[in-house]
Amino acid sequence: AQSVTQLDSQVPVFEEAPVELRCNYSSSVSVYLFWYVQYPNQGLQLLLKYLSGSTLVKGINGFEAEFNKSQTSFHLRKPSVHISDTAEYFCAVSAQEGTSYDKVIFGPGTSLSVIP
Amino acid sequence: EAQVTQNPRYLITVTGKKLTVTCSQNMNHEYMSWYRQDPGLGLRQIYYSMNVEVTDKGDVPEGYKVSRKEKRNFPLILESPSPNQTSLYFCASSFRGARNEQYFGPGTRLTVT
Repeated sequence: AQSVTQLDSQVPVFEEAPVELRCNYSSSVSVYLFWYVQYPNQGLQLLLKYLSGSTLVKGINGFEAEFNKSQTSFHLRKPSVHISDTAEYFCAVSAQEGTSYDKVIFGPGTSLSVIP
Repeated sequence: EAQVTQNPRYLITVTGKKLTVTCSQNMNHEYMSWYRQDPGLGLRQIYYSMNVEVTDKGDVPEGYKVSRKEKRNFPLILESPSPNQTSLYFCASSFRGARNEQYFGPGTRLTVT
């Protein structure tokens, strides 16, 4: 069965410092990987996704993530955070079941707090 | 404006009283899905639909029903709500499946007493 682990439930970081939010998944088959962001009292929006090809994926708002198949990880990074990056971040996996990739598993989320 | 709408946004009800949460999208997306969000658990998929009349169970389908009679609508039905279904519910849609970006609605906060 698929599962997604986000190792840090809360990450405080000072403004303009770099940040890494960690995500590991458990799946024995081919996967698609996503990072979504949820700002307070809003729905989720896509930051970036990995389907195939280059393992380094760039997304919106200066975020990037690297897919590491051997370590089954998809960590999210940003070199310099802003106050506006304060939000909940969710890693998600869509793994192959038969011919379908339509079931999605989300991690428990990481709350990023940017300190002025 | 391309969007996913949900109604109602807030609902307080009592145990056992049937309710429906509506979800509608105007992007002509084939794929639609329902999630519940609970603290510390992230989002868990309840049901998803690949197209009209095609639905399948997610990870936590017990106590919920769905139907997909029209492409734009995907209502979530709780036939006999219980307090453990108190949660924040999100509807989402995407073009041709979960490998593409899902667009989320604003959420419905449900309280069952």
